[in-house]
Amino acid sequence: EAGVVQSPRYKIIEKKQPVAFWCNPISGHNTLYWYRQNLGQGPELLIRYENEEAVDDSQLPKDRFSAERLKGVDSTLKIQPAELGDSAVYLCASSFGSGNTIYFGEGSWLTVV
Amino acid sequence: GQNIDQPTEMTATEGAIVQINCTYQTSGFNGLFWYQQHAGEAPTFLSYNVLDGLEEKGRFSSFLSRSKGYSYLLLKELQMKDSASYLCAVRDGTDSWGKLQFGAGTQVVVTP
Repeated sequence: EAGVVQSPRYKIIEKKQPVAFWCNPISGHNTLYWYRQNLGQGPELLIRYENEEAVDDSQLPKDRFSAERLKGVDSTLKIQPAELGDSAVYLCASSFGSGNTIYFGEGSWLTVV
Repeated sequence: GQNIDQPTEMTATEGAIVQINCTYQTSGFNGLFWYQQHAGEAPTFLSYNVLDGLEEKGRFSSFLSRSKGYSYLLLKELQMKDSASYLCAVRDGTDSWGKLQFGAGTQVVVTP
């Protein structure tokens, strides 16, 4: 069974440019998460979806970050405009319901120069 | 909110045992997870504890004491491939979902 799939794997952009990350969760998993992980730190939750509904986006910097999960499956996370401090790994994860084990994708590594 | 503390780095010899401690302070508790993360890769699930006691899974075991806000991950018969970061994550119990919060990770270095 395929795991959580993310793309692109790596992205280098100049500051003030936009960037988008895509995620396909494990089949059947209705809960989808976007985490950000800085070097030497644990993942921090940005947003959680239950099906198509964003039920926790309290940590998402809404002035420049947006996310969507239109059909309750794939999701996109966008940053516009990117800042130097946004350089991090953006991890997508999914679970079958909110109370169960979370499985992570390999992440999208963003470098803003 | 929550505070999750774990050592930054530990070094051990191949074949040895290493114990990674994790202490937490939470407003409510609904389970503790351990994840393994190799450099440049995704965190992968290792274990889950919600009741006090020891959970054993092959060479890896995880222990929980809820009254002490304490867990450890025990890695036995260390292999070179066990060199990785080990993340402790706590799910709080303040809402129906229970947000999962991660510690900064413990980098385990296995030497020959």
